[in-house]
Amino acid sequence: GQNIDQPTEMTATEGAIVQINCTYQTSGFNGLFWYQQHAGEAPTFLSYNVLDGLEEKGRFSSFLSRSKGYSYLLLKELQMKDSASYLCAVVDSNYQLIWGAGTKLIIKP
Amino acid sequence: GAVVSQHPSRVICKSGTSVKIECRSLDFQATTMFWYRQFPKQSLMLMATSNEGSKATYEQGVEKDKFLINHASLTLSTLTVTSAHPEDSSFYICSASGQSSYNEQFFGPGTRLTVL
Repeated sequence: GQNIDQPTEMTATEGAIVQINCTYQTSGFNGLFWYQQHAGEAPTFLSYNVLDGLEEKGRFSSFLSRSKGYSYLLLKELQMKDSASYLCAVVDSNYQLIWGAGTKLIIKP
Repeated sequence: GAVVSQHPSRVICKSGTSVKIECRSLDFQATTMFWYRQFPKQSLMLMATSNEGSKATYEQGVEKDKFLINHASLTLSTLTVTSAHPEDSSFYICSASGQSSYNEQFFGPGTRLTVL
């Protein structure tokens, strides 16, 4: 079966750095997305990785290792507004998007 | 660019009535639209995928006669929840793809459905 694992919840301090991991086992791979979702709102796009390595975009970076079936989202200089759920999603061989359950990130002052 | 709207944003209805939710891509042509349902504190659950002018593909366990999807044009898809019951109360989100080269999905703001 297809499976995406990410921690259910994480807590971090304002101004710090946090890394949210995502491991996947899917039938094929055509890219991995990270989305941010605030409570009661729809997801918004953060990043897309299809090749191994690190993609940096401001305070957010996303890393991918296809051989390990692993990705992480790195958030630097955390702000209170970063409190949200972070969803990992993989595009499989049929170009279907397989969603993880999401990681709820709680930022404390 | 790549804006998706959804209407209504919130709806409350009586059990047994039907509710229609519209999803529009405002500034691009969406070759594919997706309908998701999300229960509190849970992840997105894909209900169906639709391409313009063809029948929607429903995920396993989703009743196609209860959740009617129409994708009449490249910018509009509708989801009709027929004979709604309290267990259908949920957050319904549509998304559209076709704007980017890697099929990124652009999400609408969602519709909160409450069935009394």
